[in-house]
Amino acid sequence: DVKVTQSSRYLVKRTGEKVFLECVQDMDHENMFWYRQDPGLGLRLIYFSYDVKMKEKGDIPEGYSVSREKKERFSLILESASTNQTSMYLCASILQGDQPQHFGDGTRLSIL
Amino acid sequence: AQSVAQPEDQVNVAEGNPLTVKCTYSVSGNPYLFWYVQYPNRGLQFLLKYITGDNLVKGSYGFEAEFNKSQTSFHLKKPSALVSDSALYFCAVGGDNFNKFYFGSGTKLNVKP
Repeated sequence: DVKVTQSSRYLVKRTGEKVFLECVQDMDHENMFWYRQDPGLGLRLIYFSYDVKMKEKGDIPEGYSVSREKKERFSLILESASTNQTSMYLCASILQGDQPQHFGDGTRLSIL
Repeated sequence: AQSVAQPEDQVNVAEGNPLTVKCTYSVSGNPYLFWYVQYPNRGLQFLLKYITGDNLVKGSYGFEAEFNKSQTSFHLKKPSALVSDSALYFCAVGGDNFNKFYFGSGTKLNVKP
């Protein structure tokens, strides 16, 4: 069974801090994704990666960056955290298009 | 461009009654359609998918979904709702370049005893 693990379930940080959210998958999936989830807005794609060191912007990349140095790990970076980045962050991976994306349990991030 | 719409923010149903959660989609080409469920403070769990074949697909926990190409719909159904089905449900379309998914805004299902 595919497992996607996000390093923190809950995180509290201060405005201006650099924040790292980590995601690891154990199924050798090529594609990995970072979403943020806000009430009434569904899931919005921040960034995705289709191979090691390859990344593409999603719909809302401003204020974020990503890193994929190894196939199994995809990191989301908040360069200078702001209160409007308080949200639920979800990581997902997929093998190929006719398969479901597999999600981690999410990180609920609060920026104070 | 691909998109998904879930027209209902919330659906209320009594336990034991049938439930339907609606989803319509817009895609170019053949759609890959998915339903997910999310319990509080958890990630999304895959319920079922339609890729090709029979229009009625069956999934986890007794859920099923009907693909209707002429109405571009993929509604989620269950014959008899349980209180434990109360959760947030997302419809998604996939199969785009880089295997990106497009999610609806979610529908909160409330099943009352």
